[in-house]
Formats: sequence, structure tokens, C-alpha cells
Amino acid sequence: DTGVSQNPRHKITKRGQNVTFRCDPISEHNRLYWYRQTLGQGPEFLTYFQNEAQLEKSRLLSDRFSAERPKGSFSTLEIQRTEQGDSAMYLCASSPQGRSTEAFFGQGTRLTVV
Amino acid sequence: AQKITQTQPGMFVQEKEAVTLDCTYDTSDPSYGLFWYKQPSSGEMIFLIYQGSYDQQNATEGRYSLNFQKARKSANLVISASQLGDSAMYFCAMSTGGTSYGKLTFGQGTILTVHP
Repeated sequence: DTGVSQNPRHKITKRGQNVTFRCDPISEHNRLYWYRQTLGQGPEFLTYFQNEAQLEKSRLLSDRFSAERPKGSFSTLEIQRTEQGDSAMYLCASSPQGRSTEAFFGQGTRLTVV
Repeated sequence: AQKITQTQPGMFVQEKEAVTLDCTYDTSDPSYGLFWYKQPSSGEMIFLIYQGSYDQQNATEGRYSLNFQKARKSANLVISASQLGDSAMYFCAMSTGGTSYGKLTFGQGTILTVHP
């Protein structure tokens, strides 16, 4: 399968625990995006990488959130000291530079903080 | 700032009929792109159609067409010959130029239900 892959698909964690999600973009895509989607809402932009460089971060991304993309391939999104308000679907998307006419999305990681 | 507005929380259509999902946008950037995505209950965002701000003709992709009215800042999605599998949440989104090109701003979505 050559699409965007996200793992895990579902994660249930206790409040205060740390969680890490992984995104594997389409191999030739050098742009990678993270979004958060709460129930009944559209996705909201969190952060954006071009190759290994993190070029933009939303104000939604508090100090408890950190994202990396070592070597410009897969990316990880870590949430420290999770809160119930972090419960959401976390979506990853990738697109090729110069042809951003579409962004391909993964199936998302659904986080539930109990 | 960019903004996308979808005013129809839910829409119903009979199978094989056409349906229009509304989307208006606001941006001061002259270069932008407009997208429609479908999100079934499984959660994956499926790309449907794209319209660039400088494109002269309305975009079409199979049963999907985008009714782009630049002066009115609207980008409505038309689905012809609806199928039961079209039942899903539909999102309109926009990207603007510059280094953030590709970053999408989404609307609130419209739930489409296709009746047999």
C-alpha cells in the first residue's frame, strides 16, 4: 500500500500519561502535515514539515505537544501529560512540493483520554 | 486570515438525484486553492476535487463538479447521480499561497445522507 499510514489507529490512555503517534507519508512526498479533529468539527491544522524542517506550528500546539520528522521520512507526534481535552482524531497528510493541489490523508489515530 | 463556511449541517438526497453542497470562503490572498474531501464513518479523509483560484473553468472529476463563483467567493460541490455510498461527511477546505501552501483550512462539514 502506497498511501499515508498512521499508527496506532486507536489509543486509549489515562490522563497524565504520554502518548506518541506515528505517520508514514507517501514516499516521494516531502511535505507532511498534522491536523486534529474533534467530534463534529472539521480538522484543524497543528504543524507542518518540509523534509525534516518544522516550518509552522499552530497556537493549538501547546508546550505539551511536540512533533518530529527525523531524516525527512516518517513523523511522530508526542503528547505529554495528556488531558481529557486532548481526546480527538489526529490526522496526518502529505503532499509533494510544487504540486500541492491535493493532500493525501492517513486514516488517523483516534485518541481517548480517560 | 482564511475562513471556510459550510452552512448546511445536514443534507438529504434521493438515490440517483443530484445534490449541491454549499461552501463560501474568505481570504485576502489572490492565490488560493479550494478542495472538497469526503469523510466516511471510517474516518479517512478522501480527496474529491480541487479548484485553483486562477483556473478559468470549473473543475470536474467523474460525478463530482465544483461550481466556482469567484466574485461571490463560493465553491459549491455538485454530486450527480447520488449513490448510497456517497453518504458521509463532506468538508470544503482552502489553502493559500506562500510557504504555507498546502496547509488546509477546513469548514465545519455537511453530513450527506442518500436515501434509497
